[in-house]
Amino acid sequence: AQSVAQPEDQVNVAEGNPLTVKCTYSVSGNPYLFWYVQYPNRGLQFLLKYITGDNLVKGSYGFEAEFNKSQTSFHLKKPSALVSDSALYFCAVKGTGRRALTFGSGTRLQVQP
Amino acid sequence: SQTIHQWPATLVQPVGSPLSLECTVEGTSNPNLYWYRQAAGRGLQLLFYSVGIGQISSEVPQNLSASRPQDRQFILSSKKLLLSDSGFYLCAWSINLNPEAFFGQGTRLTVV
Repeated sequence: AQSVAQPEDQVNVAEGNPLTVKCTYSVSGNPYLFWYVQYPNRGLQFLLKYITGDNLVKGSYGFEAEFNKSQTSFHLKKPSALVSDSALYFCAVKGTGRRALTFGSGTRLQVQP
Repeated sequence: SQTIHQWPATLVQPVGSPLSLECTVEGTSNPNLYWYRQAAGRGLQLLFYSVGIGQISSEVPQNLSASRPQDRQFILSSKKLLLSDSGFYLCAWSINLNPEAFFGQGTRLTVV
């Protein structure tokens, strides 16, 4: 079985400050890890992925994520938040031999001006 | 480039009526196709996935079914809708060389 936990329902941050959205996972074998963003009444947009290699992965819109195998975590980060980053963020995992992604429950990011 | 089309964008249907949501992918061959449901703007639940024409795997027992009549077409159906079928339905595709999935814009279904 594979699962993802996003422990925070909502994260509030001031514009210009760094942001972190947390994600931990459970999977058999080596994980493929992903972050997606969703704006209201829209589909999910792919931000970034970790497959193998460097633990720090860079993605779209200035986002990055850090893979930590010992802590089974894949936290999403951005050095300086924008108001336009306010959205719902999903972490997802895909284990070896699995056909589909399993998603976390989502974290709502609110960036205040 | 690859694109995914999902329609309709919104749908209001009475309880007991049938359902057909369609999803098509362009620009790729033999994609893996998925239907997810998102309830109350939160987590996504995998409903069905397909690795080829006529091959459907169901993840949860429910009032819905899926079909893949053509390589790049994936249809979600119901013979009789329930109130609990309301939600935001998302179609997605991936290919075996890359593990990430790409999503359509979704269909907001309200059963009344």
